[in-house]
Amino acid sequence: NAGVTQTPKFRVLKTGQSMTLLCAQDMNHEYMYWYRQDPGMGLRLIHYSVGEGTTAKGEVPDGYNVSRLKKQNFLLGLESAAPSQTSVYFCASSLAVYYEQYFGPGTRLTVT
Amino acid sequence: GENVEQHPSTLSVQEGDSAVIKCTYSDSASNYFPWYKQELGKRPQLIIDIRSNVGEKKDQRIAVTLNKTAKHFSLHITETQPEDSAVYFCAASKTGTALIFGKGTTLSVSS
Repeated sequence: NAGVTQTPKFRVLKTGQSMTLLCAQDMNHEYMYWYRQDPGMGLRLIHYSVGEGTTAKGEVPDGYNVSRLKKQNFLLGLESAAPSQTSVYFCASSLAVYYEQYFGPGTRLTVT
Repeated sequence: GENVEQHPSTLSVQEGDSAVIKCTYSDSASNYFPWYKQELGKRPQLIIDIRSNVGEKKDQRIAVTLNKTAKHFSLHITETQPEDSAVYFCAASKTGTALIFGKGTTLSVSS
């Protein structure tokens, strides 16, 4: 099993450009999450999903959109990238809230 | 919403010493408290968790204690080793909500 995978691993964007980050899991987990990690700020939840076709806002949702069309995939979109969105993005999945979250390897995004 | 405070932000210990990291939470309805470890350049991984119906849980050299009255929980690492050097995150959640993480503690174990 691959677990949780993320595509791409690195990306550089110019201000105003758009992009989509893909997260895939092969563990049949219902819950999926997107976090951003910035120095000294910990892991902040952007959006999450409790099942196929559902999404919910986390702590820092502004400037991001998500979609969960298939149970195994969770997409994070940036419609108009800003330098403040420079960060490392982690995807995670779990059976439910009270179960272990399995994280992907992360995507390092730089917006210039 | 829930707010999780974590202290200290950095912690340096000598190999063999104990390390303690403390977290406080704001929502008294929170009932699930996991701890994640993130080694440099790696992804976070769960090391131990505790639910609100338990006051303490141990797994070899690590233990977590929970004080629901005071709304705080702590991670204890005994006999620290250089491979314990990492960033540790606490988190909290309640029924129907996602985890909220603390800002992390960088633990350095010197030999």
